[in-house]
Amino acid sequence: AQSVTQLDSQVPVFEEAPVELRCNYSSSVSVYLFWYVQYPNQGLQLLLKYLSGSTLVKGINGFEAEFNKSQTSFHLRKPSVHISDTAEYFCAVSEGSGGSNYKLTFGKGTLLTVNP
Amino acid sequence: DTAVSQTPKYLVTQMGNDKSIKCEQNLGHDTMYWYKQDSKKFLKIMFSYNNKELIINETVPNRFSPKSPDKAHLNLHINSLELGDSAVYFCASSQFLRETQYFGPGTRLLVL
Repeated sequence: AQSVTQLDSQVPVFEEAPVELRCNYSSSVSVYLFWYVQYPNQGLQLLLKYLSGSTLVKGINGFEAEFNKSQTSFHLRKPSVHISDTAEYFCAVSEGSGGSNYKLTFGKGTLLTVNP
Repeated sequence: DTAVSQTPKYLVTQMGNDKSIKCEQNLGHDTMYWYKQDSKKFLKIMFSYNNKELIINETVPNRFSPKSPDKAHLNLHINSLELGDSAVYFCASSQFLRETQYFGPGTRLLVL
């Protein structure tokens, strides 16, 4: 069964500092990986995704993530954060070879708080 | 135009009542989902429909019944509401299975 571990439940940083949000997954088959962001009292919005190909994936709002198969990780990074990046970030994985096996499993989320 | 919409946005009700949450997507997607987000922000899939056919049915009490009248709509009916049903319920859709899911704004359900 697939699972996702977000190693930090909260990450406080200062504005313009770099940030890394960590995500590890476990799966016995090939996977698709996603990062979603949830701003307060809103739904989830896709930041970026890895399906195949280049292991470095660039997303919206200056975020990027690197797929590392050997370490089963998909960490999210941003070189310089803004106050507006304050939100909950969710890593998610999907696996399965066919329709009925498909399921998106989410991590427990990391609350990124950017302080002035 | 809102891609995935849910109504109502807030729902406050008494234990034992029956309520429905509606979801509509105008993206032309084939697959729709219901998720539950608990008070600790943990998201868990409840159901998924592909072309009106149920394909994922997680371990959810049978008080919860999804209904898909057409590809663009997936409603969630909840019977005999319990305190533990209080949560935010998100609808989502995707073009195909394993493709990017687009989420609605959520319905905040509070059972008193």
